[in-house]
Amino acid sequence: EDQVTQSPEALRLQEGESSSLNCSYTVSGLRGLFWYRQDPGKGPEFLFTLYSAGEEKEKERLKATLTKKESFLHITAPKPEDSATYLCAVQAVGLAGANNLFFGTGTRLTVIP
Amino acid sequence: SAVISQKPSRDICQRGTSLTIQCQVDSQVTMMFWYRQQPGQSLTLIATANQGSEATYESGFVIDKFPISRPNLTFSTLTVSNMSPEDSSIYLCSVKTGGEQYFGPGTRLTVT
Repeated sequence: EDQVTQSPEALRLQEGESSSLNCSYTVSGLRGLFWYRQDPGKGPEFLFTLYSAGEEKEKERLKATLTKKESFLHITAPKPEDSATYLCAVQAVGLAGANNLFFGTGTRLTVIP
Repeated sequence: SAVISQKPSRDICQRGTSLTIQCQVDSQVTMMFWYRQQPGQSLTLIATANQGSEATYESGFVIDKFPISRPNLTFSTLTVSNMSPEDSSIYLCSVKTGGEQYFGPGTRLTVT
């Protein structure tokens, strides 16, 4: 069964304490893996799209990587404003609807000053 | 990128009534989507709305309950019909452009 699993569910970091969020997926025919940031009461904010294993993308303190089974969102020296829920989503040939984004349940990140 | 606005931002509705949510995009886009995010859960695709064709609904969602209009390349509406408390959720409009997919701010619906 196609699945997207994010871990951990919640993560508390001290300001400046680097860490990684994980998104593992079991889909056939991956077309793209997406990372979003969602603040409370707001819609998801697009961060990255990764298309193939080995691909990496960076934006400020965030770096996303992709393997054939999982993706990592690395957060370097986080600041309190990085606190949010980070969502992973996949688009795959096998998923119902060629354009459907299948979302994980997210990792709720809290960065403590 | 794309800037998406939704109206209303939130509403409280009575059981049995209907609510129409509007989505406006700042540029012309072919592919537009409607998602639902129930409390404590992640996003689920309701339907894909492409201009000039009928909306395509995902399993578990039907046109009678969630009718969609897409009159042009910058606008769409989603109606939640005959509402029940189980329809309480955040409804999000989304567009795909340039290989990237963007979301609106969402409409928070509470059904009493």
